[in-house]
Amino acid sequence: DTAVSQTPKYLVTQMGNDKSIKCEQNLGHDTMYWYKQDSKKFLKIMFSYNNKELIINETVPNRFSPKSPDKAHLNLHINSLELGDSAVYFCASSFLGGLREETQYFGPGTRLLVL
Amino acid sequence: GNSVTQMEGPVTLSEEAFLTINCTYTATGYPSLFWYVQYPGEGLQLLLKATKADDKGSNKGFEATYRKETTSFHLEKGSVQVSDSAVYFCALSDDGGATNKLIFGTGTLLAVQP
Repeated sequence: DTAVSQTPKYLVTQMGNDKSIKCEQNLGHDTMYWYKQDSKKFLKIMFSYNNKELIINETVPNRFSPKSPDKAHLNLHINSLELGDSAVYFCASSFLGGLREETQYFGPGTRLLVL
Repeated sequence: GNSVTQMEGPVTLSEEAFLTINCTYTATGYPSLFWYVQYPGEGLQLLLKATKADDKGSNKGFEATYRKETTSFHLEKGSVQVSDSAVYFCALSDDGGATNKLIFGTGTLLAVQP
């Protein structure tokens, strides 16, 4: 049983295109995250949603738009793709608040290559 | 702001050698501390964690102790195996739990040779 899944696993596209990455979790968590890992393996938070409400919005170009249709899904849409968007994008999920375990669980990543 | 500093890699060891990967942090308040591992071509997996000072996290022979006095969370393993070759990330959970944001170190590549 996959806990946090992402599609697609690989995405190769041309500059200027628009693409979406999808994430789903079956852990019953109420919070989901998007992280970006660059070519040097550096990981940085981009967005987070708690119960479909945006709670983290780091300094990210507005070409990136997250959307959470429900607690189990968090999608990332990227407009007008640029070369610098090439990276691995990781989705994660966790509980937030209360006395619950808040450890984040990560998906396998989506490797985006912009040509 | 809060930050995590890890020793630079790559770290190259022979099988059965002792491993230490240093991690220090800067934080206000009392963050939780984590080690995540990323095997080649895969996502991140939680290796171990500690939520308060003097806690020791352990898993698969790896250990790390939350040292508030030295603001450190060094990862250790007594005898590494080839299968431990991976990138190891130290992280802290920021902002007192309001958003559970993770701040990562730069990662340390470990290569274990037979």
